Amino acid sequence: QSALTQPASVSGSPGQSITISCTGSSSDVGNYNLVSWYQQHPGKAPKLMIYEVNKRPSGVSKRFSGSKSGNTASLAISGLQADDEADYYCCSYAGGSSFGVFGTGTKVTVL
Amino acid sequence: QLRLQQSGPGLVKPSETLSLTCTVSSGSVSSNSYYWGWIRQPPGKGLEWIGSIHYTGSSYYNPSLKSRVTMSVDTSKNQFSLKLSSVAAADTAVYYCASPDVDTAMVVYWGQGILVTVSS
Repeated sequence: QSALTQPASVSGSPGQSITISCTGSSSDVGNYNLVSWYQQHPGKAPKLMIYEVNKRPSGVSKRFSGSKSGNTASLAISGLQADDEADYYCCSYAGGSSFGVFGTGTKVTVL
Repeated sequence: QLRLQQSGPGLVKPSETLSLTCTVSSGSVSSNSYYWGWIRQPPGKGLEWIGSIHYTGSSYYNPSLKSRVTMSVDTSKNQFSLKLSSVAAADTAVYYCASPDVDTAMVVYWGQGILVTVSS
């Protein structure tokens, strides 16, 4: 079971939009609409930002949106703000012998 | 709103067994809505799913850790636990307990995290 592939870093200026990709396989991302995204600030537990590919939990800003095409899921952040600077992880249900598999993580920097 | 409170030692010797417990409040481990899971994060690295267990006994373990992992649910204490045997320095990490949703696999509720260092 391999980790899902994410870019190591993505950056943008305040107000801009960025997109983070998450590439898996037909055994995980491509086979289930159960992709979630987590935001993690240093020293904190992860926070759920998106679930079931494109659904936002209550309280999460509409600036965050998710999508999926084939074996690749994406997280978009619009209107970038200073507090968006954090690490982001995708996660997919993987069925079989493993419940979930995380992505490698992406560090978002607000310039 | 669930609350997950972790407990356990922060230092474990190589070759010994790491044991952590997560106490659930404002909810029940006997809920059909959740699995009970463990996720770890080595210092400066990414998240890794260790495994998940339902109170009925259904369980999933990361294949790379399966031979060393034991997870259990104690309904009388409203707790669930992780044991990881034969630990080595590579097992040094922040360990989180979590509550993956049965239907969506999302994790809304997380424990506070415990840094477990494997060192003699």
